Amino acid sequence: GAVVSQHPSRVICKSGTSVKIECRSLDFQATTMFWYRQFPKKSLMLMATSNEGSKATYEQGVEKDKFLINHASLTLSTLTVTSAHPEDSSFYICSARDGGVQETQYFGPGTRLLVL
Amino acid sequence: GDSVTQMEGPVTLSEEACLTINCTYTATGYPSLFWYVQYPGEGLQLLLKATKADDKGSNKGFEATYRKETTSFHLEKGSVQVSDSAVYFCALSWYAGSQGNLIFGKGTKLSVKP
Repeated sequence: GAVVSQHPSRVICKSGTSVKIECRSLDFQATTMFWYRQFPKKSLMLMATSNEGSKATYEQGVEKDKFLINHASLTLSTLTVTSAHPEDSSFYICSARDGGVQETQYFGPGTRLLVL
Repeated sequence: GDSVTQMEGPVTLSEEACLTINCTYTATGYPSLFWYVQYPGEGLQLLLKATKADDKGSNKGFEATYRKETTSFHLEKGSVQVSDSAVYFCALSWYAGSQGNLIFGKGTKLSVKP
């Protein structure tokens, strides 16, 4: 099946720094990518939907200036956590919709962020 | 708002035991329902789905039936294997496929012992 990768898989950073997480569709073109956040023992929460070449659509309560999303190509979307704080520590998961197979969404393995 | 509730884990079973993971949803209307599985170190994968009431989704020996009367979509397997050890997520969407926004349950970790 289609593969979505995320990099890095785990990152530890100091409070106040910015962290960039990459999400790549390896063998298909993704017109739409989704970013989710998962807290321990909680559901995955959709943060934003990004379409290639346009601005991301953020869910209610998600700060767009803090979680910058760029979807510059059909195979790459990035999430940048700006001025990270300990409360941003979480598990971030991306998914990508295969533009050729409309009913399939493929998930990346996730990125564990720890802000000290 | 819409939500999904699934049983708390972890669930530990012996090989060949029967599995049921309960999932109920709250929504106005009849969404599509999904079960996703996440194996260690991998991304979520679609396991099965049902798009309307009384539909049964099945894959790899797993089954789930969309019950609108009880707003449930319980996951079942008659005989689990060690390779079924993973985290299972129930989810709903207002899209028939999985291409749109998904609302997930908290996930249930299953460990199968030989």
